[in-house]
Amino acid sequence: AAGVIQSPRHLIKEKRETATLKCYPIPRHDTVYWYQQGPGQDPQFLISFYEKMQSDKGSIPDRFSAQQFSDYHSELNMSSLELGDSALYFCASSPWLDSGNTIYFGEGSWLTVV
Amino acid sequence: AQKITQTQPGMFVQEKEAVTLDCTYDTSDPSYGLFWYKQPSSGEMIFLIYQGSYDQQNATEGRYSLNFQKARKSANLVISASQLGDSAMYFCAMREGHNAGNMLTFGGGTRLMVKP
Repeated sequence: AAGVIQSPRHLIKEKRETATLKCYPIPRHDTVYWYQQGPGQDPQFLISFYEKMQSDKGSIPDRFSAQQFSDYHSELNMSSLELGDSALYFCASSPWLDSGNTIYFGEGSWLTVV
Repeated sequence: AQKITQTQPGMFVQEKEAVTLDCTYDTSDPSYGLFWYKQPSSGEMIFLIYQGSYDQQNATEGRYSLNFQKARKSANLVISASQLGDSAMYFCAMREGHNAGNMLTFGGGTRLMVKP
């Protein structure tokens, strides 16, 4: 079965650079979530989208922005990268609630800022 | 106050035995969902089981079952017949409300180690 696809899986950036992470949800899933997991931490919610509109917002820095496109894929843009942005970034997707109550995560994108 | 509390930072279990991972939650919303995820050392987050606040029966998925005690606000994960491959970090998470896109809040996780 198709899963949530994230790219790139690994990237290394220097401080003050910009990075873009991409997420392709499971087919027919219309809701996308972004999470950040620092080393030894639990995942922290950044932002979510439903039907291309922002649905919920968590602790996403102002330097970060995200959007969901017409094909439901989503991109997380991170600018002015800081060392503290080094983390595992997850995208997750879910279907409309009355067709399922599961939220599936991708394998994550490892970002290292040097 | 923490919305999701996992009080066991680490646990050992003997292979083939059952193990219970604790999770308590705090919410005033009558509609919520509880999730358990497994995170192996490779990093991916694997969905295990879901329990809705209005579900009458405890959820089960293969060797995983959820001991849902609503009055106590607990949602413990029971893994039966532990296998070496069950060694991983386990996260309990909650979604409040029923709007699409509502965030998942995670607990601090429990690291389970299965001994041969």
